[in-house]
Amino acid sequence: DSGVTQTPKHLITATGQRVTLRCSPRSGDLSVYWYQQSLDQGLQFLIQYYNGEERAKGNILERFSAQQFPDLHSELNLSSLELGDSALYFCASSVGTGGSYNEQFFGPGTRLTVL
Amino acid sequence: DQQVKQNSPSLSVQEGRISILNCDYTNSMFDYFLWYKKYPAEGPTFLISISSIKDKNEDGRFTVFLNKSAKHLSLHIVPSQPGDSAVYFCAASLYQAGTALIFGKGTTLSVSS
Repeated sequence: DSGVTQTPKHLITATGQRVTLRCSPRSGDLSVYWYQQSLDQGLQFLIQYYNGEERAKGNILERFSAQQFPDLHSELNLSSLELGDSALYFCASSVGTGGSYNEQFFGPGTRLTVL
Repeated sequence: DQQVKQNSPSLSVQEGRISILNCDYTNSMFDYFLWYKKYPAEGPTFLISISSIKDKNEDGRFTVFLNKSAKHLSLHIVPSQPGDSAVYFCAASLYQAGTALIFGKGTTLSVSS
């Protein structure tokens, strides 16, 4: 158990809908990262937050957004869903950002299926 | 363009033998490399890492070798055990900048008894 929790575990929805994925980092971790793993793909970095502020953006679509709240949990919002958004979404956390704080611990993931 | 490549999608090894998983990268600015292991229905778990100032790091049965001139790293597992059967991801980052990890697509290791 990495200490990172993600809810829900599975999500099935229809095209055009909007969903919210939730992540609680390990106790004491200030950084939260979101990754997407599609079929036959490695983990693609979406976005990073550090202590409530957006720190870095990767291959995140404009239809997707995220935020980190004062209690450090994070939510990833996916809207106008398309079939191609079906994937595993992982959240990871680390103590800080930079240097020895960069080792990331991953949650179990949310499997999103868009029908 | 993939910055981190794991060219072997799968590897099969017998129990007790050595498993060698390979990873190549293209960005010479990367200075910190990690290996993660992933079982089905679980998130990736950190296995071992290496800084670019080293060429080898060992932790029990796991050793990572880094060849900076070739932009290549490898993970050696000796001896391999059936419980090592999983998907192994290589990842790279810019250490001080604390950037997100850039992952390869993974290699599925199967260890048979």
